[in-house]
Amino acid sequence: LAKTTQPISMDSYEGQEVNITCSHNNIATNDYITWYQQFPSQGPRFIIQGYKTKVTNEVASLFIPADRKSSTLSLPRVSLSDTAVYYCLVLSYNTDKLIFGTGTRLQVFP
Amino acid sequence: KAGVTQTPRYLIKTRGQQVTLSCSPISGHRSVSWYQQTPGQGLQFLFEYFSETQRNKGNFPGRFSGRQFSNSRSEMNVSTLELGDSALYLCASSYSRPGQGEDTQYFGPGTRLTVL
Repeated sequence: LAKTTQPISMDSYEGQEVNITCSHNNIATNDYITWYQQFPSQGPRFIIQGYKTKVTNEVASLFIPADRKSSTLSLPRVSLSDTAVYYCLVLSYNTDKLIFGTGTRLQVFP
Repeated sequence: KAGVTQTPRYLIKTRGQQVTLSCSPISGHRSVSWYQQTPGQGLQFLFEYFSETQRNKGNFPGRFSGRQFSNSRSEMNVSTLELGDSALYLCASSYSRPGQGEDTQYFGPGTRLTVL
């Protein structure tokens, strides 16, 4: 069962790079790692997904070491609008339930 | 193409009543999953439907049920509502079953249920 662990909260300032790490020690061979962003009273919004090494899109990068037991979401030059809760999810086909971690509440200050 | 839609967006019910929530997945998506989100428990998995069959179920009582139609639209039903059922109910869709390769789940805006 691929349970994830993330820091509860993080603070940053506008223009800084933010790195949020997620631990997933029980990740299975075929599992992918997905990150979501959620604003209050809205559904989680897909940010990025990866399997190994590094994935980059227009909003973020995802770094996954060789053992895949953790992953790091990197948000370059955050702005106030990036203040949200960020969830790491490992979707495992063979589990009997899908589990989100507690999420990381990112607060960006001016 | 249109995203996942959920109706209604807001709902107020009283204890003992029942409620039905609806989810329309992204066109072409065949899997629909439901989640409950509360401040105390975070995001919790309710169940997953694929090809009109429930494939996975979370740790919720039998008062929570669902179904999926041939067009992949899904409904979830909660009977005999309790105060603790107040939550944001989220629906997510994907083409394949969650976890099968790099297919991604996309979430709807949610239905905010308040039980008085």
